[in-house]
Amino acid sequence: QVQLQQWGAGLLKPSETLSLTCIIYGGSFSGYYWSWIRQSPGKGLEWIGEINEDGNTNYNTSLKSRVTISIDTSKNQFSLNLTSVTAADTAVYYCARVSILGLHSFDYWGQGTLVTVSS
Amino acid sequence: EIVLTQSPATLSLSPGERATLSCRASQSVSSNLAWYQQKPGQAPRLLIYDTSTRATGIPPRFSGSGSGTDFTLIISSLEAEDFVVYYCQQGSNWPVTFGQGTRLEIK
Repeated sequence: QVQLQQWGAGLLKPSETLSLTCIIYGGSFSGYYWSWIRQSPGKGLEWIGEINEDGNTNYNTSLKSRVTISIDTSKNQFSLNLTSVTAADTAVYYCARVSILGLHSFDYWGQGTLVTVSS
Repeated sequence: EIVLTQSPATLSLSPGERATLSCRASQSVSSNLAWYQQKPGQAPRLLIYDTSTRATGIPPRFSGSGSGTDFTLIISSLEAEDFVVYYCQQGSNWPVTFGQGTRLEIK
């Protein structure tokens, strides 16, 4: 059974960098894209970007200038960095696996991490 | 960016009734549409992908249909645990986008 477990700092000040990591248990790491998605009351669910085992990335253009997604295949982990955060980045952040069935649906999700940006 | 508009925002029904949820795309997404269920405090759960294919373990009371710009999720006979929030999502064009959700509430 595939499980995604995520962690990272939950409280940030404006201008700081958000860093989250997601580890995959119980399934193949290779052959998939791995995504970050966030959810806020104001903007709903928002796809941030994705990465595969080769390090190929795709980012949402709305966040591209501030986002870096990286991967460590030796640890079955991938990470999100979002720089220069503001209150608008306050959200629950999820890691998720891009399903190979269907075009860009997400079949396994992490538990979510609430990130609050406040001075 | 493709905008997905879900309607209604809230749907009030009783257990045992049939629920019809709609999702309209601002441009064609072909059949590349998925539906998710989200319970309070949990991550979304994939119900349907490719418009009409149920994900693993999803009961047959959930069904999807549509193509192009208009899509429907039907829950044939509502059970108590179905009264939560549902989202549609398109994977046809970058960036991937989600609808704003439909909340199913007990009448």
